[in-house]
Amino acid sequence: DIQMTQSPSSLSASVGDRVTITCRTSQSINIYLNWYQQEAGKAPKLLIFAASGLQSGVPSRFSGRGSGTDFTLTISGLQPEDFATYYCQQSFTIPYTFGQGTNLEIK
Amino acid sequence: DVQLVESGGGLVQPGGSLRLSCAVSGFTFSSYWMTWVRQAPGKGLEWVAKINQDGSQRHYVDSVKGRFTISRDNAKNSLYLQMNSLGVEESAVYYCARDRNFRFCSSQAGCYYYYAMDVWGQGTTVTVSS
Repeated sequence: DIQMTQSPSSLSASVGDRVTITCRTSQSINIYLNWYQQEAGKAPKLLIFAASGLQSGVPSRFSGRGSGTDFTLTISGLQPEDFATYYCQQSFTIPYTFGQGTNLEIK
Repeated sequence: DVQLVESGGGLVQPGGSLRLSCAVSGFTFSSYWMTWVRQAPGKGLEWVAKINQDGSQRHYVDSVKGRFTISRDNAKNSLYLQMNSLGVEESAVYYCARDRNFRFCSSQAGCYYYYAMDVWGQGTTVTVSS
């Protein structure tokens, strides 16, 4: 199985900040990498597909980059509703696997 | 509106069985792969299974192979997960999700199709306990 390693596990930031979350995979997955946001008690929400494709309806302050084994999710200009947990997920091969999550908290 | 509504969760004893359902509306159910994902309390997301449009292809995470069965009824716009021999470690919120195939063009790879789970239900809670 492909192992997914996210960093950091938790992150404190303020409204208006720019933050970057990293996801590293145990083998190359081209750009078969998705990012999800999960607010407490809610279902995950797709933000980014194929490493950098912005899902419809997702604000442009969210952006993704990377290919191969190293990927990033950047949020430019944090808004109060962005404080949540973020997961990366690979769709390169079965079984799909997720990162352990990054908890983004208000400083 | 596109909607996925899970049901069937509850309390079950270790070794017991449960059948989850996911009722779909707002899109052509028979055109999409569908997926189950679970999340244990306070833990991350774990992909469980996926099924293709006509039910002829099914894939599972190793830990549930032989015990869980994913199925669908396109006439009823419904997805199912039959879970047998449940263990306490499988207590979780179970989500159904649409596994959509996005066409995407990148400078690195050209234009290809990429799967991502773009619509999710609210989840149903399974508790395995004696």
